[in-house]
Amino acid sequence: NAGVMQNPRHLVRRRGQEARLRCSPVKGHSHVYWYRQLPEEGLKFMVYLQKENIIDESGMPKERFSAEFPKEGPSILRIQQVVRGDSAAYFCASSPRTGGMNTEAFFGQGTRLTVV
Amino acid sequence: DAKTTQPPSMDCAEGRAANLPCNHSTISGNEYVYWYRQIHSQGPQYIIHGLKNNETNEMASLIITEDRKSSTLILPHATLRDTAVYYCIVGPETSGSRLTFGEGTQLTVNP
Repeated sequence: NAGVMQNPRHLVRRRGQEARLRCSPVKGHSHVYWYRQLPEEGLKFMVYLQKENIIDESGMPKERFSAEFPKEGPSILRIQQVVRGDSAAYFCASSPRTGGMNTEAFFGQGTRLTVV
Repeated sequence: DAKTTQPPSMDCAEGRAANLPCNHSTISGNEYVYWYRQIHSQGPQYIIHGLKNNETNEMASLIITEDRKSSTLILPHATLRDTAVYYCIVGPETSGSRLTFGEGTQLTVNP
């Protein structure tokens, strides 16, 4: 999966703690997307960001979840006061731009969050 | 984005062609057909996409019917490593990465 780096690969948090998931897109990509995959379920879109802007957060839970993609550094998905239902695999994808033929997404290997 | 329908599972013998169907009868004129796959526990992997012409790359071929209401992904010589969930997704090109994943088809390649 062409260069999207997510860390950590596995994250264990106790209920009530904060989880921070990081995603470094493919070099030169300025569009980042976060997806969540609950156990035994399909991938669900959460949020789409460009540098310093949230473009579409229609899939993001209204509370406890936030995302950013600063001018410098990786994109961060932050989950405050985690609950057991947040346990899932979180995947990040990046693309060079929207429009044009080369809009396929490159996905990272995901962060598996376990809330105990 | 248009909805797609795929069979939940398929089997294929190693070395044979795997033909994965997808119905997208409500596709609109500016929507592309994308195929991704997810090998167990890994991140999804882009395979191919097209608008109305058949497409081929090093991984697969995509055959889109003339009315664009269905398509078939063809893996010409399936290997054990092609065992995965295959997702057919339709959407406008401008949202090439904001993808709406359905249930997909679990393809199992048997030795």
